[in-house]
Amino acid sequence: DTEVTQTPKHLVMGMTNKKSLKCEQHMGHRAMYWYKQKAKKPPELMFVYSYEKLSINESVPSRFSPECPNSSLLNLHLHALQPEDSALYLCASSQAPTGSYEQYFGPGTRLTVT
Amino acid sequence: DQQVKQNSPSLSVQEGRISILNCDYTNSMFDYFLWYKKYPAEGPTFLISISSIKDKNEDGRFTVFLNKSAKHLSLHIVPSQPGDSAVYFCAAPKASGTYKYIFGTGTRLKVLA
Repeated sequence: DTEVTQTPKHLVMGMTNKKSLKCEQHMGHRAMYWYKQKAKKPPELMFVYSYEKLSINESVPSRFSPECPNSSLLNLHLHALQPEDSALYLCASSQAPTGSYEQYFGPGTRLTVT
Repeated sequence: DQQVKQNSPSLSVQEGRISILNCDYTNSMFDYFLWYKKYPAEGPTFLISISSIKDKNEDGRFTVFLNKSAKHLSLHIVPSQPGDSAVYFCAAPKASGTYKYIFGTGTRLKVLA
């Protein structure tokens, strides 16, 4: 099973709402990632969890709050977002860096902030 | 500072012909490179990778070539098929053994039937 699943597929939220994005993988990967992708741009790294601990935060605004409840799950909690936060949010996972480098991506959540 | 660059935003190729997608990088410390393919409304899918100790890696119709002195890599698809139409990203870990991947800006490949 090389699948990373993400829910929901689409999300529309107002600037005062609180919502969460969810990601799950069952490949035994110990690194999980959140990326943001705007149209016609490459994915931009937001957060990395390694062995369920936050190891990289790319200076992401605090209105985005990641959480890794266990080795298979990754959440991104959203609060008080801005319209410019509208984008495709991608989750990915990979083995530890000493092994294979390939990241497996989920299909993404298309977020629209109104 | 774009450390991984794909200078061709788009490429059109006839079905059955070779597609060549190019990627340049600026950091000579990069030692591993990956290619991903992305269809609309889907996440990127890993295609093929190459370590800096090699200059070529082949997997079926896909071959990646690495020219370290020129800091250049290319992805060859032979023969190209309409299903190959997608956006292709090259990527590199920012430093050996880290989780930080730098992605190129992508090249949109269109394979014409």
